[in-house]
Amino acid sequence: SQKIEQNSEALNIQEGKTATLTCNYTNYSPAYLQWYRQDPGRGPVFLLLIRENEKEKRKERLKVTFDTTLKQSLFHITASQPADSATYLCALAETSYGKLTFGQGTILTVHP
Amino acid sequence: EAQVTQNPRYLITVTGKKLTVTCSQNMNHEYMSWYRQDPGLGLRQIYYSMNVEVTDKGDVPEGYKVSRKEKRNFPLILESPSPNQTSLYFCASSPRSGGSTDTQYFGPGTRLTVL
Repeated sequence: SQKIEQNSEALNIQEGKTATLTCNYTNYSPAYLQWYRQDPGRGPVFLLLIRENEKEKRKERLKVTFDTTLKQSLFHITASQPADSATYLCALAETSYGKLTFGQGTILTVHP
Repeated sequence: EAQVTQNPRYLITVTGKKLTVTCSQNMNHEYMSWYRQDPGLGLRQIYYSMNVEVTDKGDVPEGYKVSRKEKRNFPLILESPSPNQTSLYFCASSPRSGGSTDTQYFGPGTRLTVL
């Protein structure tokens, strides 16, 4: 069956360190993979999108990699801050149109 | 202000009483979608619409209906709600028809409890 798994439900790191979140998938052939941030009680907010033919994407302190051989995406936050504490969701789509499937999310806590 | 709005934000109802959750966007987006979010299960797509009068099922469409008569509105209808539809619901929109290739803008959520 198809499955998207994000690493441990919760990740705790110290301020200033790099946070690395993983998104693994099975029985999907995603053409697009997106990452979102969600704060408690609020809707997800888009962060980055990466296509299957792209290995890496960056935006300020954020970096996403996409390895279709390993069936994995890594999401990095460098120089993490307590304000980065949130739930991070990966989502993938196999085609250009319509259906988007989300992982269950990883709760990141950055300690001062 | 560019936004996706949902109403109501909170709703407690009883089994079998038909309800509608409205979703409206003011960004002239082509694509709209409904999700439900449950602990441990993440966000699951219920229905999506790539354009006016074009809708399709997501992963969990059972027990829900949608319509897209106008570009800006995408209501979610529960004809006969049941307790297993108790959840947090999000509406989202995206500029182009191919919502999976675009930023999705989410609404604030509707917390529904079915007794």
